[in-house]
Amino acid sequence: KAGVTQTPRYLIKTRGQQVTLSCSPISGHRSVSWYQQTPGQGLQFLFEYFSETQRNKGNFPGRFSGRQFSNSRSEMNVSTLELGDSALYLCASSLANAGDTQYFGPGTRLTVL
Amino acid sequence: GNSVTQMEGPVTLSEEAFLTINCTYTATGYPSLFWYVQYPGEGLQLLLKATKADDKGSNKGFEATYRKETTSFHLEKGSVQVSDSAVYFCALSIIQGAQKLVFGQGTRLTINP
Repeated sequence: KAGVTQTPRYLIKTRGQQVTLSCSPISGHRSVSWYQQTPGQGLQFLFEYFSETQRNKGNFPGRFSGRQFSNSRSEMNVSTLELGDSALYLCASSLANAGDTQYFGPGTRLTVL
Repeated sequence: GNSVTQMEGPVTLSEEAFLTINCTYTATGYPSLFWYVQYPGEGLQLLLKATKADDKGSNKGFEATYRKETTSFHLEKGSVQVSDSAVYFCALSIIQGAQKLVFGQGTRLTINP
């Protein structure tokens, strides 16, 4: 079974631009979560989608948004990029229930100049 | 709130040494507990998990026991190898509501031959 895939793997943007990251979950997984990883803040939860609905959201500004499609693929968008948005963005998928194991993709490395 | 505290790193050991990485948690409700490992340039890989008190998770020679009385989930391995060099994250997931992992700050482990 194929793992979680994320595209692109690397991105370079400038301040003020917007960016869209994509995540394809493991086949049969309906929950997709997004995390931001930075050296200073560690791993922080962004949001989770299940059946095309946002089920939980972390403490990030409204510039961070996401969506999920009917095939469970998910995208996250960051508008008006800031230097501090430079990070590794990780996507994880799981079956459905809280406590189910989350399986992570390789991440998208975003650099904001 | 829910939080995870890990032993501060970095940790440097010689090959075949005994490894312990401490992890304690604070949680409302009854969490599932996880250890994830991150190799350089990669996403997170699940190492092991435990879903209830006194459960022992194990994988690739690593073990951790869910101790409710001490709110701990310490990671141990009897004989480490150079290939175990990575960053290790302890995490919890609350078994209610949406999927959301709360991570510790990570412990960087280096094994010298």
